Amino acid sequence: GESVGLHLPTLSVQEGDNSIINCAYSNSASDYFIWYKQESGKGPQFIIDIRSNMDKRQGQRVTVLLNKTVKHLSLQIAATQPGDSAVYFCAEPAGGTSYGKLTFGQGTILTVHP
Amino acid sequence: DAGVTQSPTHLIKTRGQQVTLRCSPISGHKSVSWYQQVLGQGPQFIFQYYEKEERGRGNFPDRFSARQFPNYSSELNVNALLLGDSALYLCASSLPHDEQYFGPGTRLTVT
Repeated sequence: GESVGLHLPTLSVQEGDNSIINCAYSNSASDYFIWYKQESGKGPQFIIDIRSNMDKRQGQRVTVLLNKTVKHLSLQIAATQPGDSAVYFCAEPAGGTSYGKLTFGQGTILTVHP
Repeated sequence: DAGVTQSPTHLIKTRGQQVTLRCSPISGHKSVSWYQQVLGQGPQFIFQYYEKEERGRGNFPDRFSARQFPNYSSELNVNALLLGDSALYLCASSLPHDEQYFGPGTRLTVT
């Protein structure tokens, strides 16, 4: 069955450092993944997505890497800022569409120290 | 622009009671989904509605039900509340073939 999970539940970094958040998935047929950021008191917010025909996708200060061989993806945040402090989830939408049922991982708490 | 709105923000109920949570999607969005987020975990899918029809249901008991109105707003109902129903209930809306936008959630506490 489908499952999406994270290696590290917490990550603490200094402002300006690069952060790497990891996620493992179990379904080798999975073809689309989304990273979400959830700040305290708010709902999850879309950060970046990646399809299985790509190994890497870059956004503004964020990069997602997908390794289909080991069923692993990561979110890299460059020059981490205090405003990046939040819980980060990887999620897999059903049916390969961004509006389908989302299966979320456990989440990683990122804390950025000034 | 107004995002997804949910009401109430917080709610305290007693075991055995019933609760109704409300969601207003972003204007023009016809798809609404509900998620339950227990403290320390990722959100879990409960329902998806599109054009007032149920398009998906997660692994939740029949005590959970939902509906979507002609204006695309939605209600989530939970009957016979249990302590384990205490959670943040999230609503998300989307356009077809587009990302889901989440509301701030309703924090339900069952005592």
